[in-house]
Amino acid sequence: DSGVTQTPKHLITATGQRVTLRCSPRSGDLSVYWYQQSLDQGLQFLIQYYNGEERAKGNILERFSAQQFPDLHSELNLSSLELGDSALYFCASSGAPRGESPLHFGNGTRLTVT
Amino acid sequence: ILNVEQSPQSLHVQEGDSTNFTCSFPSSNFYALHWYRWETAKSPEALFVMTLNGDEKKKGRISATLNTKEGYSYLYIKGSQPEDSATYLCAPPNTGNQFYFGTGTSLTVIP
Repeated sequence: DSGVTQTPKHLITATGQRVTLRCSPRSGDLSVYWYQQSLDQGLQFLIQYYNGEERAKGNILERFSAQQFPDLHSELNLSSLELGDSALYFCASSGAPRGESPLHFGNGTRLTVT
Repeated sequence: ILNVEQSPQSLHVQEGDSTNFTCSFPSSNFYALHWYRWETAKSPEALFVMTLNGDEKKKGRISATLNTKEGYSYLYIKGSQPEDSATYLCAPPNTGNQFYFGTGTSLTVIP
């Protein structure tokens, strides 16, 4: 158990809808990273937050947004959903603001857009 | 997008064989190099975090080396076992903290 909690485990929704994925980092970790894994693709880096502030942006679409709250949990909001957004979304946390500490991954949220 | 390349894409070895894979990354703006092990239906697990040129890390039968000047890292597995079957990912977070992963090397160890 990595100590990173993601909810929900599974989400099924229709095109055009909006969903929110939630991540609680490991106790004491200030950094949260979001990744997307589409079918037959690797891990795509979306965005990173450290102690409530956005620190790095990757391949995140404009329809997607994220935030990290004062209690350090993070939410990834996906709007105007398209079929191609169906994927496994991972959250990972680490204790450092940069890459000097390993990432601890949650079990992921599987999003299916129909 | 950071250009991270891993080779080979996949590998099948017999139980007991030793094997190694490569991770290539841009040497400019280097900050650290991470290796992860990702088993099917599970989440990636960290193996090593390396920061210094010439760094070597070891965990049981698995070890890794790092060359930051030429931009590559090797992961070695000695005496492969079926439980080593997984995808091995590397990620070189840069000074901008963009944390991109390579596409991985899929290892299958045949009993």
